[in-house]
Amino acid sequence: GDSVTQMEGPVTLSEEAFLTINCTYTATGYPSLFWYVQYPGEGLQLLLKATKADDKGSNKGFEATYRKETTSFHLEKGSVQVSDSAVYFCALLNSNSGYALNFGKGTSLLVTP
Amino acid sequence: EAGVAQSPRYKIIEKRQSVAFWCNPISGHATLYWYQQILGQGPKLLIQFQNNGVVDDSQLPKDRFSAERLKGVDSTLKIQPAKLEDSAVYLCASSPGQLNTGELFFGEGSRLTVL
Repeated sequence: GDSVTQMEGPVTLSEEAFLTINCTYTATGYPSLFWYVQYPGEGLQLLLKATKADDKGSNKGFEATYRKETTSFHLEKGSVQVSDSAVYFCALLNSNSGYALNFGKGTSLLVTP
Repeated sequence: EAGVAQSPRYKIIEKRQSVAFWCNPISGHATLYWYQQILGQGPKLLIQFQNNGVVDDSQLPKDRFSAERLKGVDSTLKIQPAKLEDSAVYLCASSPGQLNTGELFFGEGSRLTVL
């Protein structure tokens, strides 16, 4: 069945460092891919998405490119801030497998001043 | 615009007791979801409603879990009897369309501890 694998956390970075959180997926067909973020004390919220190969999703300085050849959707940000400290979830939606959003385990990010 | 509301935020019960969680989605959202998030894991879909009909409940443990969405608005998730492994955060989400585009709006969750 479909699955999403994220890098293990926690990830600790200094402010202004470059961020990469790896995400790979297994799915039949052509899923849509998402990054959700959960800030402390808040609900999950959509950060960005990509619906087809080579699409780049971007929001709030974060980017991720849908790479079908490597089945990856890595999240990147050039310069992180303390306010980016949160848990990040990669997810996929596959019409071949119903329409349930399938999440990875999440990667915790802590940015220190 | 008001977000997805859930209550209670926290609940502690003993095993074999029952518990109910309530969700009020964003006004006008046709589709409502209940997810279970166990510590250290990603959210797992329990049930999906479209208006007041069930679209997907394949991962709902039906021997102990039940959910309803009366009148296609609010929803209640019930666990009876609870087991230790039910300790988790129960997330409610909604989306505006009839089809899941993956763009869900989540509530803050209801944290259940089963002792």
